[in-house]
Amino acid sequence: NAGVTQTPKFQVLKTGQSMTLQCAQDMNHEYMSWYRQDPGMGLRLIHYSVGAGITDQGEVPNGYNVSRSTTEDFPLRLLSAAPSQTSVYFCASSYSMTDTQYFGPGTRLTVL
Amino acid sequence: KNEVEQSPQNLTAQEGEFITINCSYSVGISALHWLQQHPGGGIVSLFMLSSGKKKHGRLIATINIQEKHSSLHITASHPRDSAVYICAVRSIRVFGAGTILRVKS
Repeated sequence: NAGVTQTPKFQVLKTGQSMTLQCAQDMNHEYMSWYRQDPGMGLRLIHYSVGAGITDQGEVPNGYNVSRSTTEDFPLRLLSAAPSQTSVYFCASSYSMTDTQYFGPGTRLTVL
Repeated sequence: KNEVEQSPQNLTAQEGEFITINCSYSVGISALHWLQQHPGGGIVSLFMLSSGKKKHGRLIATINIQEKHSSLHITASHPRDSAVYICAVRSIRVFGAGTILRVKS
């Protein structure tokens, strides 16, 4: 099993550009989530999904869109990148919302 | 006041020492999670606790639901234990700020 994979590992964007961070898991997990980690702020939940076709907002959803068309994939879209979205992004998955989560390796995003 | 408070923020220990990291929370929970983030950035789930105590190798986690407090203990600490340790509640939706642990040889 590859576990939770994220692409790309690093990305530099200009303000206003859009992009999609990819997240995939091969463990047949129903629950998937996206977090951002910033110095001094710790980890914060952006969006989560309890299964294909179902998504919901976390603590800091503004500026991000998600969709869950399959169990395996949970992409995070930045619609119009802003410098405030410079961060490290982690995707995670688990069998259910209350189970142990498995984290991807992270994507380091810089918005200039 | 944050829903989850961790202490200490920073901890430096000598190899072999017994280490305790504390986590207090102010909300009702069904489970508390301990995570480890290595210097390279990867995050690993260590424990999920809803009561009592769990042990994995040299790591022990305890939780007291009535007192809303959990502790993570590391016995016979080693430099490879150097990492950030994070507690989280509410299905890993609310996080503590993390404890930066450095174990010196």
